[in-house]
Amino acid sequence: DSGVTQTPKHLITATGQRVTLRCSPRSGDLSVYWYQQSLDQGLQFLIQYYNGEERAKGNILERFSAQQFPDLHSELNLSSLELGDSALYFCASSVEWGQGYEQFFGPGTRLTVL
Amino acid sequence: AQSVSQHNHHVILSEAASLELGCNYSYGGTVNLFWYVQYPGQHLQLLLKYFSGDPLVKGIKGFEAEFIKSKFSFNLRKPSVQWSDTAEYFCAVRGSTLGRLYFGRGTQLTVWP
Repeated sequence: DSGVTQTPKHLITATGQRVTLRCSPRSGDLSVYWYQQSLDQGLQFLIQYYNGEERAKGNILERFSAQQFPDLHSELNLSSLELGDSALYFCASSVEWGQGYEQFFGPGTRLTVL
Repeated sequence: AQSVSQHNHHVILSEAASLELGCNYSYGGTVNLFWYVQYPGQHLQLLLKYFSGDPLVKGIKGFEAEFIKSKFSFNLRKPSVQWSDTAEYFCAVRGSTLGRLYFGRGTQLTVWP
């Protein structure tokens, strides 16, 4: 158990819908990262937050957004869902950001869009 | 942009065979290097990491990796694999100061008992 929690574990929804994935980082970790794992693209970085502020953006679609709240938990919002959005979404956290800090991964949320 | 290449998509071995999984990255500056393992249906777990110092890094479960800067490589090794090592293995690189990881496409290891 990495100490990073993600809910829900599984999510099945229809095209065009909107979902919210939730991540709670390890106690004391200020930085949260979201990654998407799909068969087509592999593991790809989506977005990073540090202490409530966005730090870096990767291959995140405009239909997707995220935020980190004052209690440091983070939510990833996916809207206008398409079949291709079906993937495993991982959250990771680290104490700080940048080199020299290990990222701990949560169990992931498996999203299936029908 | 940084990139990571894992040369083998699927490796099949018998128990007790030796393992080496290749990983090459493209980034000219200081890097942090990682190997993660993902067992079926589970999340990513860190096997080992290299930040600085001794380029030969020992991790959990008998795995080790060697950082060869001149070859931009960070190959994973294990002298004798077990059936329980069946999993997918990901090499990852962090070369910027922002913290994000760049992952390879993964290598599926299947070990036959």
